[in-house]
Amino acid sequence: SYVLTQPPSVSVAPKETATIPCGGNNIGRKSVHWYQQKPGQAPVLVIDYDSDRPSGIPERFSGSNSGNMATLTISRVEAGDEADYYCQVWDSDSNHGVFGTGTKVTVL
Amino acid sequence: VQLLESGGGSVQPGGSLRLSCAASGFTFKNYAMNWVRQAPGKGLEWVSIISGSGRDAHYADSVQGRFTISRDNSKNIFYLQMNSLRAEDTAVYYCAKGQDIAATIAVIDNWGQGTLVTVSS
Repeated sequence: SYVLTQPPSVSVAPKETATIPCGGNNIGRKSVHWYQQKPGQAPVLVIDYDSDRPSGIPERFSGSNSGNMATLTISRVEAGDEADYYCQVWDSDSNHGVFGTGTKVTVL
Repeated sequence: VQLLESGGGSVQPGGSLRLSCAASGFTFKNYAMNWVRQAPGKGLEWVSIISGSGRDAHYADSVQGRFTISRDNSKNIFYLQMNSLRAEDTAVYYCAKGQDIAATIAVIDNWGQGTLVTVSS
């Protein structure tokens, strides 16, 4: 089955840039979606189709996808960005949805 | 968009539960619906998806043959029938709206608040 790998944690200072990788075999050939989940809350879609921002998501959130790595970038990080972030794809070989292992972003 | 789950609770191993999700605020039949779960302190796990028409459905390997997803487009409700429950099925179960009618599009644009299922003797 298809596997998406993320680092368990990323730490970043306020106003700096956080980069969250999501690794998968030829992930560049798939559409990648990203979710933010704060403690005790349901996830929220922050990026869909590699780099599109849903309505209401700040421009500070951006995404890219190529080769074996997709990336979520959070620019000018704020304290409110502290959360778990998950990447997601559809694996058409198995007809399964797949979530990444998740990355906890800590704002120092 | 509002998604309201119900049906969670405690059950013994080998038992059954049926989760329901009542949807409102959108044209229900035009969107695929998902169940996603999260074990305590763990990450998100995709469980199942059903197309807008209800004709297509897919399941994670971990629940295939034990769980059944279905929907009633006349009532704007969809379900997850869970049989032969195991301790490892313990999780918060989220109902989640797909962004497309097809059951092969992953993106989820709205989530319920989740309902806790505990499988324990």
